[in-house]
Amino acid sequence: GNSVTQMEGPVTLSEEAFLTINCTYTATGYPSLFWYVQYPGEGLQLLLKATKADDKGSNKGFEATYRKETTSFHLEKGSVQVSDSAVYFCALRGKAAGNKLTFGGGTRVLVKP
Amino acid sequence: KAGVTQTPRYLIKTRGQQVTLSCSPISGHRSVSWYQQTPGQGLQFLFEYFSETQRNKGNFPGRFSGRQFSNSRSEMNVSTLELGDSALYLCASSLLVGGETDTQYFGPGTRLTVL
Repeated sequence: GNSVTQMEGPVTLSEEAFLTINCTYTATGYPSLFWYVQYPGEGLQLLLKATKADDKGSNKGFEATYRKETTSFHLEKGSVQVSDSAVYFCALRGKAAGNKLTFGGGTRVLVKP
Repeated sequence: KAGVTQTPRYLIKTRGQQVTLSCSPISGHRSVSWYQQTPGQGLQFLFEYFSETQRNKGNFPGRFSGRQFSNSRSEMNVSTLELGDSALYLCASSLLVGGETDTQYFGPGTRLTVL
């Protein structure tokens, strides 16, 4: 079945540092890939997505590229802010899965001033 | 446009009781999905509804059930509560089902505590 593996946290960074969160997946065919962010006490917010190989999703300074050859969708941001402190989830949606999302375990990011 | 709303936000129940959670999707959205979030198991898919029909179901026991009404609002029910059912239950809505450009929007969740 489908699965998503992402690096465990917590990841602690200083403001303006470079952030990378690794995400790899297992799925048949060509799934759609997503990054969601969860701030304390809130639900999930879609950060970015990519629906086919080599697509790059981007939003709020975050980027991720759909790499079919390495089955990866790593999240990057060049200069993080304290407000980026949150839990980040990588997820996939299989082509035949309707709207079912399969999530990774989440990575907690803490940005210190 | 109002987002996905879930009620109640917090709930405390005891073992053996049953509970009903409610989700109102974004206006115009016809698909509603439910997820359970726990520290141990992470985010797990419960079920998905579209136009009042269950389209997909996760690997949860039959104690977990749901339904969707003609106005797209959805409820999920958990009967005979167990301690392990303590979790954040998240609802997500989208326009359609599985569309490549479709985006799911999540509500703030209902925090269920079973004592």
